[in-house]
Amino acid sequence: GIQVEQSPPDLILQEGANSTLRCNFSDSVNNLQWFHQNPWGQLINLFYIPSGTKQNGRLSATTVATERYSLLYISSSQTTDSGVYFCAVANTGTASKLTFGTGTRLQVTL
Amino acid sequence: ETGVTQTPRHLVMGMTNKKSLKCEQHLGHNAMYWYKQSAKKPLELMFVYSLEERVENNSVPSRFSPECPNSSHLFLHLHTLQPEDSALYLCASSSTQGTEAFFGQGTRLTVV
Repeated sequence: GIQVEQSPPDLILQEGANSTLRCNFSDSVNNLQWFHQNPWGQLINLFYIPSGTKQNGRLSATTVATERYSLLYISSSQTTDSGVYFCAVANTGTASKLTFGTGTRLQVTL
Repeated sequence: ETGVTQTPRHLVMGMTNKKSLKCEQHLGHNAMYWYKQSAKKPLELMFVYSLEERVENNSVPSRFSPECPNSSHLFLHLHTLQPEDSALYLCASSSTQGTEAFFGQGTRLTVV
């Protein structure tokens, strides 16, 4: 099956700093999503981005499907950004059978 | 109402108990999924239902039994679980065309 690698595994930032999280995948995909898992375990949708670039406030994401990677940018980080960020992909024709990466654990300190 | 709702949020059960997890979606989707998140392991897809028909079962032990009575509801029936089954169980839904999936809040299960 498809392999998904995320880097870095852990990241500590001071409030106000910027960061880039990376997701590499091993095959062509028709679905790529970025999630933020909050401390209570819920997965919050950040982006649905199988290709191209999107922005939502301080967050933006870019997927270069031909080179099999996606980047999540967090600018002016806040303590509420802390948590685990997951990239998940699917390459099947129907239904969103997502394969998840192991995540990047982000801690934003004051 | 949130898009995907799971109940209960927390569950502690003995190895001889039988319990069920419930998931309900209000997004008009017609595909639903169960995922398992164990400590130190990536989220794993367990079951997929598309148009109320099970289309995938990823080698999940028979002590986990899914049920999808209609496109809005999904259950996971649990019986004679093992302590290693303790995990966060997440339900998700999407359209069958493979677009964006949305997740519920999860049920944190502890087997004692």
